[in-house]
Amino acid sequence: SQTIHQWPATLVQPVGSPLSLECTVEGTSNPNLYWYRQAAGRGLQLLFYSVGIGQISSEVPQNLSASRPQDRQFILSSKKLLLSDSGFYLCAWSVTGGGNSYEQYFGPGTRLTVT
Amino acid sequence: LAKTTQPISMDSYEGQEVNITCSHNNIATNDYITWYQQFPSQGPRFIIQGYKTKVTNEVASLFIPADRKSSTLSLPRVSLSDTAVYYCLVGERNTGFQKLVFGTGTRLLVSP
Repeated sequence: SQTIHQWPATLVQPVGSPLSLECTVEGTSNPNLYWYRQAAGRGLQLLFYSVGIGQISSEVPQNLSASRPQDRQFILSSKKLLLSDSGFYLCAWSVTGGGNSYEQYFGPGTRLTVT
Repeated sequence: LAKTTQPISMDSYEGQEVNITCSHNNIATNDYITWYQQFPSQGPRFIIQGYKTKVTNEVASLFIPADRKSSTLSLPRVSLSDTAVYYCLVGERNTGFQKLVFGTGTRLLVSP
């Protein structure tokens, strides 16, 4: 069966510090990968998506970046965090191509607080 | 991307049927309608997906009228554990992968 891992679960970082969040997927090959952010009481905002190794598309201009160094590894980074980067960060995967399915599988999330 | 509109919140009692309606007036011909459920501090979970008419699974039913400008998620006999946020999404198919746009969803509160 497929599983998706995210770490850390919670993180408190000062403004201006760097960030690295990691997501890995097990039990599937060549998945589509996604990073979302959810601000308190809000819906999910798609940040990045990837259809393959090294292929990253950004949805929202910001001080965050993403990388996919391996097939089932997706990393979210920042060189200098802003207060507005606080939120609940979710990684998700879906079957490549997907056919008619819009099912995405979400990880447990990382709650980031920038102080 | 088709924008969706759904009620901000709904209240219900255990054992009742809950119907959450979503409007998507600008849905495209090839778009599918998908519903997700999210509990606090967890990622969303896929509930159901449909294109037209009615779709039913072990969790819910999805009703889509002929014009497809709206859809209704029906949860039969809700329990306290169904308290969650429910998102209606319209998927973009042309890009070859699932580019989902989540709104603020409908916060369902089920009381004893």
